[in-house]
Amino acid sequence: QLLQSGAEVRKPGASVKVSCKASASTFKISDINWVRQAPGQGLEWMGWMNPDSGRSGFARKFQGRVFTSTNTSISTAYLEVHNLRSDDTAVYFCLTSAFGDWGQGTPVTVSS
Amino acid sequence: DIQMTQSPSSLSASVGDRVTITCQASQAIKQYVNWFQQKPGRPPKLLIYGASILETGVPSRFSGGGSGTHFTLTISSLQPEDTAEYHCQQYDNLPYNFGQGTKVEIK
Repeated sequence: QLLQSGAEVRKPGASVKVSCKASASTFKISDINWVRQAPGQGLEWMGWMNPDSGRSGFARKFQGRVFTSTNTSISTAYLEVHNLRSDDTAVYFCLTSAFGDWGQGTPVTVSS
Repeated sequence: DIQMTQSPSSLSASVGDRVTITCQASQAIKQYVNWFQQKPGRPPKLLIYGASILETGVPSRFSGGGSGTHFTLTISSLQPEDTAEYHCQQYDNLPYNFGQGTKVEIK
């Protein structure tokens, strides 16, 4: 139900934008959460967004560097990470607010 | 922020064994705990929400318990297909932190 964009490679200091396309019905009723998983590591909750209102909230460590947006006409949510560092290398997942539906994940590699 | 301390970090058990994984919350979170199963290269799959409510389609050998600060995930009779990593998560307060994960293997 959630289809994410493909793998990305960026240099340190660059930005990346990951997309997450939902069904129209999911987009109307559910917040979207973002979670990431660094190689060999556990899951890290990053933040949430409401596609309808645009409201969002992020874990403190991501505030000011991570942003979300939506294109409601195509039921797609976006996660932007700016000023990438090597420790941002991870698989980024979007998921519904009930945590039952996950995208397939978008690998992001940050390397010089 | 609420921290979730999960243990053990890994375990190895035989087919048919009863296996229990524990998550300790740094403060009381009522029953707002999810448990996920994750296999390599796949997104996590929700097994249990509300600490003890089995998600539709999840085998009944999985069960969850606890409230307040202490939570458990139990597999009553371990099967080969249960080889995976398991994660707890609290959703009482933002940020919705996860535990560190438990790798379950078959002996």
